[in-house]
Amino acid sequence: DTEVTQTPKHLVMGMTNKKSLKCEQHMGHRAMYWYKQKAKKPPELMFVYSYEKLSINESVPSRFSPECPNSSLLNLHLHALQPEDSALYLCASSQERGTNYEQYFGPGTRLTVT
Amino acid sequence: QQPVQSPQAVILREGEDAVINCSSSKALYSVHWYRQKHGEAPVFLMILLKGGEQKGHEKISASFNEKKQQSSLYLTASQLSYSGTYFCGTEDAPNTGNQFYFGTGTSLTVIP
Repeated sequence: DTEVTQTPKHLVMGMTNKKSLKCEQHMGHRAMYWYKQKAKKPPELMFVYSYEKLSINESVPSRFSPECPNSSLLNLHLHALQPEDSALYLCASSQERGTNYEQYFGPGTRLTVT
Repeated sequence: QQPVQSPQAVILREGEDAVINCSSSKALYSVHWYRQKHGEAPVFLMILLKGGEQKGHEKISASFNEKKQQSSLYLTASQLSYSGTYFCGTEDAPNTGNQFYFGTGTSLTVIP
């Protein structure tokens, strides 16, 4: 099974809402990633978890809060987002953290902030 | 440091060849290549490591010039299924906590 699943597929939320995105993989991968992708742009790395510990936080605003409850699950908690946060949010996983390992991407959650 | 890709866009007829380039201003440890079709997730194509090791698909080839800090992806005898946006991805050192950067992207369209 080489699948990364993400829920929900689409999410519309107001600027005062709190919502969460969920990502799951059952490949035994120990690194998981959150990316943000705007239309016609490359994905931008937001967070990396390695062995369930946050290893990179690329100065992402605190209104995005990641959580890795176990090695198979990754959540992204959203609170007080801005309209410019509307984007495709992609989750990915790899066997280990590091450049030797390909990343497997989920289908993404398309988020619209109104 | 985001790598720069060229060309930005290319249109091919089925059966034609294409080369996509990826250049970085920093020394590279490895280069990844991914393809993303419209509305879908990026899909892994290939990894090239310093020293010449490669991991990837048999029908796609790539090169990695460490001195020039460049990589090129070679698509031969293109098929309609090759259409999509191609991204290189680079990290200038392994496991140092450095950012993984996707390149600017190349849109490739194959027409019958």
